[in-house]
Amino acid sequence: AQTVTQSQPEMSVQEAETVTLSCTYDTSENNYYLFWYKQPPSRQMILVIRQEAYKQQNATENRFSVNFQKAAKSFSLKISDSQLGDTAMYFCAFHFGNEKLTFGTGTRLTIIP
Amino acid sequence: EAGVAQSPRYKIIEKRQSVAFWCNPISGHATLYWYQQILGQGPKLLIQFQNNGVVDDSQLPKDRFSAERLKGVDSTLKIQPAKLEDSAVYLCASSLEAGGTYEQYFGPGTRLTVT
Repeated sequence: AQTVTQSQPEMSVQEAETVTLSCTYDTSENNYYLFWYKQPPSRQMILVIRQEAYKQQNATENRFSVNFQKAAKSFSLKISDSQLGDTAMYFCAFHFGNEKLTFGTGTRLTIIP
Repeated sequence: EAGVAQSPRYKIIEKRQSVAFWCNPISGHATLYWYQQILGQGPKLLIQFQNNGVVDDSQLPKDRFSAERLKGVDSTLKIQPAKLEDSAVYLCASSLEAGGTYEQYFGPGTRLTVT
């Protein structure tokens, strides 16, 4: 079974700074998908960014980018120029084939004005 | 485009009572998911439907939880009887099809408190 580990339960950073959230996972599969989801307080979860394991190039979405290290099974999320609206729970997730989406325990990120 | 709708948003019941949650997925989405999110944890899949058929219910406590998606559109999740440990947020999500290629869209969730 696949496992996803987020070792930072909470983080905080000043507005406009850059922050990196860590995620590691364990799998024996070769082709899979990795995701970062954002869950703002009292609001619904939305997809931030997705990475296909067969792609060597790291995914980017505006201020959000990932550092995907397949051999190390590491998938970190970098948020540049952080904004107050980035305050949320962030979940790393793994998906292989038709199996279920497996989430980590989340990192609570607070952006300080 | 309307998102995933869920109701109610909040529910408080006593243990041993019954409760039902409703979900209406995004129009045209064949795959529907119910997740349980306990405070401080990531969502855990309870059941996945493809149209009106069950794809995965391996983590659904079938002695007390049931779910249906009769016409392949909206779905209900029922707990009967509820236990204290069922206190959680119940999330519904939908995607065009199953698999990692297809983004899952989440509803706002139903926060259940069992006293």
